[in-house]
Amino acid sequence: GAVVSQHPSWVICKSGTSVKIECRSLDFQATTMFWYRQFPKQSLMLMATSNEGSKATYEQGVEKDKFLINHASLTLSTLTVTSAHPEDSSFYICSAEIISGTSGGRNIQYFGAGTRLSVL
Amino acid sequence: LAKTTQPISMDSYEGQEVNITCSHNNIATNDYITWYQQFPSQGPRFIIQGYKTKVTNEVASLFIPADRKSSTLSLPRVSLSDTAVYYCLVVGDFGNEKLTFGTGTRLTIIP
Repeated sequence: GAVVSQHPSWVICKSGTSVKIECRSLDFQATTMFWYRQFPKQSLMLMATSNEGSKATYEQGVEKDKFLINHASLTLSTLTVTSAHPEDSSFYICSAEIISGTSGGRNIQYFGAGTRLSVL
Repeated sequence: LAKTTQPISMDSYEGQEVNITCSHNNIATNDYITWYQQFPSQGPRFIIQGYKTKVTNEVASLFIPADRKSSTLSLPRVSLSDTAVYYCLVVGDFGNEKLTFGTGTRLTIIP
């Protein structure tokens, strides 16, 4: 259980084009999904928190008009990199949160496999 | 959010038990400790979560002392496939929790 699918796994695009990345929770519903960015040899950096049916909350320094996030259903969130440029080339990872049950523990995030974006 | 500190890297031979310690001196009363594993070019994978004492699953054990200011992830009889980066995180007491990933520990298993 707790599978998160991310598509595509790898995309190459020309500078100035837009790229859409999909994140799906396959066997559970996720009110909240997260989008991260990771550069080589570095840790994950949170870009935004996506809540179903409402606007995403962006971290400081992340351009909301450049990184459009839509969370239209409880199993799907999308990240669109608009007018991509070479500096947007990175590894983008999504996660979906499972709310802890009555047995205790805290909400656990399950991650997609990531999308490697290369902008030429 | 409680900050965590862990070794940047560790090496171990195949078949040995590996213990990775994480320090979280400012952990709050309701915080849990969560560990993730990440292979190159993949998203992190949840390994284990605990609050106190010991938690064990099919993959690892997590030891948490009474003061909860540190925790130790124990991987039994490691193999080459355990080579990865391991992240220790402290998770708070509410939903929509942001995860702050530190540098993690790069574990290299030597044949």
